[in-house]
Amino acid sequence: SQQGEEDPQALSIQEGENATMNCSYKTSINNLQWYRQNSGRGLVHLILIRSNEREKHSGRLRVTLDTSKKSSSLLITASRAADTASYFCATVRGGTSYGKLTFGQGTILTVHP
Amino acid sequence: DAGITQSPRHKVTETGTPVTLRCHQTENHRYMYWYRQDPGHGLRLIHYSYGVKDTDKGEVSDGYSVSRSKTEDFLLTLESATSSQTSVYFCAINPTGYGYTFGSGTRLTVV
Repeated sequence: SQQGEEDPQALSIQEGENATMNCSYKTSINNLQWYRQNSGRGLVHLILIRSNEREKHSGRLRVTLDTSKKSSSLLITASRAADTASYFCATVRGGTSYGKLTFGQGTILTVHP
Repeated sequence: DAGITQSPRHKVTETGTPVTLRCHQTENHRYMYWYRQDPGHGLRLIHYSYGVKDTDKGEVSDGYSVSRSKTEDFLLTLESATSSQTSVYFCAINPTGYGYTFGSGTRLTVV
């Protein structure tokens, strides 16, 4: 079963616009991570937010975490065509989990030039 | 990705044959993982390792076995490949407190 569920499943925007992707999860977590995957490639880690954090920034990325609602969002500002990729949220559960990640099914982002 | 390599990158095999995929890391990390990625399912954990000779099952472990005799190598074996095991397989390492580093993947086709 998927711990994280992303919304929307697909998002199409114009270059320069902002892109927002949402993730919901079911159990208590230690941290939540976002990854990007370009077509046919491996996943690349974007950002990690711990359960006691509410917001983190990295360049044009902004991640929020609401543990009371068991949800997170990823905002990409001023998007570029190169941001076209699939984006996945993944969670590490609380307790002894050996760092195992549980992934959502991802959001496919298309940024048109 | 730097520090982790998977081999082979592509493989076509026949139903019923054994297949072994290799993951090699140069980072000396304790934790290693095997995932499979299928359309509509995202990435699902097959097996993981928390040290040499220490492994455990993940979400979709049926039909797979693993071995880790050295810190740097984590092998995934399909004992008798089936068409349902056609997938893209990713290995990952986990620097504690940071995000995973993934390998480039192995695309396996079982015919």
